[in-house]
Amino acid sequence: AQSVTQLDSHVSVSEGTPVLLRCNYSSSYSPSLFWYVQHPNKGLQLLLKYTSAATLVKGINGFEAEFKKSETSFHLTKPSAHMSDAAEYFCVANSGYSTLTFGKGTMLLVSP
Amino acid sequence: DAGVIQSPRHEVTEMGQEVTLRCKPISGHNSLFWYRQTMMRGLELLIYFNNNVPIDDSGMPEDRFSAKMPNASFSTLKIQPSEPRDSAVYFCASSFSSANEKLFFGSGTQLSVL
Repeated sequence: AQSVTQLDSHVSVSEGTPVLLRCNYSSSYSPSLFWYVQHPNKGLQLLLKYTSAATLVKGINGFEAEFKKSETSFHLTKPSAHMSDAAEYFCVANSGYSTLTFGKGTMLLVSP
Repeated sequence: DAGVIQSPRHEVTEMGQEVTLRCKPISGHNSLFWYRQTMMRGLELLIYFNNNVPIDDSGMPEDRFSAKMPNASFSTLKIQPSEPRDSAVYFCASSFSSANEKLFFGSGTQLSVL
């Protein structure tokens, strides 16, 4: 069985400051890991994907995530937050053929 | 490409009524997923099709829920009879081969059962 834990339900930052959204996973196998973003009243959009090619993954909009097997973590970071980054972010794992396991989501709030 | 298209965007119905949600996946994608999103439970996979065949329906809550994919370009999720606890946002997503590939989500159907 696999599970995904997003450690913070809400994260508040000021525009221009770094963003850190935390995610830990548990899986019997080496999983594929994803981060998705959901803007209000929209579907989810893929930010980035890890599939064991490189531990540091760069995604869209300046986001990146580092896979740390020893810590079973896949935290999402961005050096400088923008107002348009305000959204809900989902960490997702897939260690099987078909189904994805979604974290509960972290709401990112960006203040001016 | 127009992306994954879901209809309707919003549905308000009364308890006991039949509800049908529709999804048109991206052309060429052969995997289709139905998800339900609520504040309490987050995103839950309801059912997953590959090449129009249901592969995993273990997430379908109960017999009131059914899903079909008669062809590669259309899927429906039906709730009969609907109940207030079914109120949620229902997302359809498609991918090229499996869930290990990038999922493209529709904008969702906001369902309210009164």
